[in-house]
Amino acid sequence: NAGVTQTPKFQVLKTGQSMTLQCAQDMNHEYMSWYRQDPGMGLRLIHYSVGAGITDQGEVPNGYNVSRSTTEDFPLRLLSAAPSQTSVYFCASSPTGVPLHFGNGTRLTVT
Amino acid sequence: GENVEQHPSTLSVQEGDSAVIKCTYSDSASNYFPWYKQELGKRPQLIIDIRSNVGEKKDQRIAVTLNKTAKHFSLHITETQPEDSAVYFCAASIGGTSYGKLTFGQGTILTVHP
Repeated sequence: NAGVTQTPKFQVLKTGQSMTLQCAQDMNHEYMSWYRQDPGMGLRLIHYSVGAGITDQGEVPNGYNVSRSTTEDFPLRLLSAAPSQTSVYFCASSPTGVPLHFGNGTRLTVT
Repeated sequence: GENVEQHPSTLSVQEGDSAVIKCTYSDSASNYFPWYKQELGKRPQLIIDIRSNVGEKKDQRIAVTLNKTAKHFSLHITETQPEDSAVYFCAASIGGTSYGKLTFGQGTILTVHP
C-alpha cells in the first residue's frame, strides 16, 4: 500500500489564483481530513469527510472547498489564493476516525 | 469548541534524562488523546494514544497519563536519546461523529543533547 499520497509536494501561487491539492489513499479508509500547519499553531482542521458524498467543516474552512466523490480521493480546492493561506497542508485518513494516518504534506506559498 | 494548550513550547534535556510534556483541554466530552512526533520536514506520526477510560498507557520508553478530573494529560519519555529530538504534538477529540476531528496543541520542540 502507498498509504496517503499528496500532490504536489511544493506549490507557489500568486494572489487570486486557484488550485487543487490532491489527496488519495489506497487503504479503503472511510475517514479523510485536511489540516494546515502554521508555525507555533500546531495543526488545524480545515475540512473533514466520513465517507463518499459526506463532508463537514473544521476549524478553519474559509477559502477552501472539498468534495468526496470516491472513497479514495479527497481534493482540497483553493478558490482564490491569499497570502494568509501560505502553509503546509496535510491530508489524513483513518478507517474509523482515529488514529490518523498523515500524508507527506504539500508546502504552499502564496505571493 | 475544544481548546488544547501545550507546555512547554521548547524543552532541552541531556541524553538519558526524562522529558515530560503537558497538555490541558477544555471540553470534558473529549475522550481520545493522541500524541504525534514530527521530525523536521516530515509528516506527523502517531507515537501513542489514550482513551478516556484508561488512566495510563505505556509503550517501551514512552508513557501517557490522563487526569480527566483536571482535564490534562502528559507525555513521558524516559532514557531520552538524540533520535527523540523532534516536535511533539498532543491532540484531543470528542467521540461520536466528531471522532476524527482532532484539536491539536501548539507543539513542543524537544532537543536531546548527546
